[in-house]
Amino acid sequence: DIVMTQTPLSSPVTLGQPASISCKSDQSLVHSDGFTYLSWLQQRPGQPPRLLLYKISSRFSGVPDRFSGSGAGTDFTLKISRVEAEDVGVYYCMQATQLPITFGQGTRLEIK
Amino acid sequence: EVQLVESGGGLVQPGGSLTLSCAGSGSAFSLSWMHWVRQTPGEGLVWVSRIHADGSNAKYADSVKGRFTISRDNAKNTLYLHMNSLRAEDTAVYYCATDWYYTLNYWGQGTLVTVSS
Repeated sequence: DIVMTQTPLSSPVTLGQPASISCKSDQSLVHSDGFTYLSWLQQRPGQPPRLLLYKISSRFSGVPDRFSGSGAGTDFTLKISRVEAEDVGVYYCMQATQLPITFGQGTRLEIK
Repeated sequence: EVQLVESGGGLVQPGGSLTLSCAGSGSAFSLSWMHWVRQTPGEGLVWVSRIHADGSNAKYADSVKGRFTISRDNAKNTLYLHMNSLRAEDTAVYYCATDWYYTLNYWGQGTLVTVSS
């Protein structure tokens, strides 16, 4: 199984300031078709996970452009350019390049 | 957009059985691969199973293989997870989710399964 490791596990951020979350896999996430199936999910308190980004950096429908993704191979980053109150929650990276699909442990974003 | 609603969770004794359902809206449901994912405070998000749009090619996590069966009825726009020989460690919130080009783009609200005597 591919192991996904996120850092930090908790991120206190001031409103309006940027935030960054790292995700590393223990194997390359490049699929045989050439695409990298790394996604980022957001889980607000009491809600199910919600897709933010897929294939490293493509924003899903309705996701604000303050969310961006980057990286390649085994190292990936989620950035929020200016944190808003509604961004509070837990963020997960997820790989679907290979079954079983695996998730990072989650990073809790909180407001200072 | 696909709306997903899970049901069927509850309290079951160890060794017991339970069937979860996931009702989907819209014609896209019958065209989508579907997944079950579970979540606990200790383990986080854990993938459980996947099934192709036509009901073929079911895959399972090692932890549930031989005990859980995924199926679907596209005429009813419904996905199922049949769970047998339940263990305490199967206690979790179970989500269904649609697969879209190797990501999980829509998730249901989840249904809680508690395995306890």
